[in-house]
Amino acid sequence: GEDVEQSLFLSVREGDSSVINCTYTDSSSTYLYWYKQEPGAGLQLLTYIFSNMDMKQDQRLTVLLNKKDKHLSLRIADTQTGDSAIYFCAETPAPYGGSQGILIFGKGTKLSVKP
Amino acid sequence: KAGVTQTPRYLIKTRGQQVTLSCSPISGHRSVSWYQQTPGQGLQFLFEYFSETQRNKGNFPGRFSGRQFSNSRSEMNVSTLELGDSALYLCASSSAETQYFGPGTRLLVL
Repeated sequence: GEDVEQSLFLSVREGDSSVINCTYTDSSSTYLYWYKQEPGAGLQLLTYIFSNMDMKQDQRLTVLLNKKDKHLSLRIADTQTGDSAIYFCAETPAPYGGSQGILIFGKGTKLSVKP
Repeated sequence: KAGVTQTPRYLIKTRGQQVTLSCSPISGHRSVSWYQQTPGQGLQFLFEYFSETQRNKGNFPGRFSGRQFSNSRSEMNVSTLELGDSALYLCASSSAETQYFGPGTRLLVL
């Protein structure tokens, strides 16, 4: 079955880079996503990557995809205190026909940024 | 474009009652999905509607139901509420490969 795993916590200093890791089990996933959730808020789409890519860069965000190891990472350059939030990795599972209307989420990584 | 809106934002109910939550997707989006978020189980897919039809359903009991209207607005209903139904309910609307989420409805069951 589909499953997405993330470490629960990450603490970094302001200005450093943050790297949040994720592993997934469904090798047929077409898209993989990173969402951000701030306290009391919904989910904000940060970025996503198509499964035939291995890297995508968007301003301070870099996504790396290793399909062989089913490993996805999100790097945030020059991390700021405003980046403190929970970050969720998600995949579109093939058993549902790869429907983009369904996402399977990890439990989320809580990023704490110390000044 | 306006984002996904959900009403109400907060709700308090008692066990045994029923509740209806509403979601208005981004204009032009025809797919609406619902998720339940709890501290213990995380984010879990409830169901997805596309063009007024339920296209996919997650592993939730029949007390959880939904529908979609011709203008793509969606409602979800939970009957015979249980304490464990306390959660943040998130709605998302989809365009092609991306899902955009609303702010959620926080439901507390006493």
